[in-house]
Amino acid sequence: DQQVKQNSPSLSVQEGRISILNCDYTNSMFDYFLWYKKYPAEGPTFLISISSIKDKNEDGRFTVFLNKSAKHLSLHIVPSQPGDSAVYFCAASIQGAQKLVFGQGTRLTINP
Amino acid sequence: DAGVIQSPRHEVTEMGQEVTLRCKPISGHNSLFWYRQTMMRGLELLIYFNNNVPIDDSGMPEDRFSAKMPNASFSTLKIQPSEPRDSAVYFCASNLNPKMNTEAFFGQGTRLTVV
Repeated sequence: DQQVKQNSPSLSVQEGRISILNCDYTNSMFDYFLWYKKYPAEGPTFLISISSIKDKNEDGRFTVFLNKSAKHLSLHIVPSQPGDSAVYFCAASIQGAQKLVFGQGTRLTINP
Repeated sequence: DAGVIQSPRHEVTEMGQEVTLRCKPISGHNSLFWYRQTMMRGLELLIYFNNNVPIDDSGMPEDRFSAKMPNASFSTLKIQPSEPRDSAVYFCASNLNPKMNTEAFFGQGTRLTVV
């Protein structure tokens, strides 16, 4: 039972354009969401998060949007840079609980 | 701080052998997590500890898998006997206080290949 789903295994975007990565979840109890970025041969690193009391959180080129009614969140990267090429994981948790549930990941490739 | 340290980085073993993966969390972090990454399922949580106590091991796939945390600075994940389908990248992560929505920090992972 995959509670967090990233339906696009890969995404290719031209440098300078916007990258949009999507994530869906099924458990309505989730109230905290995170995005992690992973380079080859490295562990995932935290990128940005959002609490369910918000619908948007921005950090530089990265913005996460949350649509609770649709149980959907997205990560926008503007403008995309070659160094953004990595696998991006969406994760969710229930506040007060301790474990993160991850999606399958989306491989983002930024083309020069 | 050096971050979460995992060893070995790579492990190749024959089917049926015992495999032990090791993890040193970030000093002061209260929680430790073991994840497994596969192409099909992404990052799966196997087990996590809070203050050295196992809290949820529902993700451990079979009795062949076991994990221990004898103290705040060390944890092991053991597979005995190992099987080819156990081949994956295993990550350890630690978190200062996940109940306060702080983020987890991951080690570089151990790539396990069972032949």
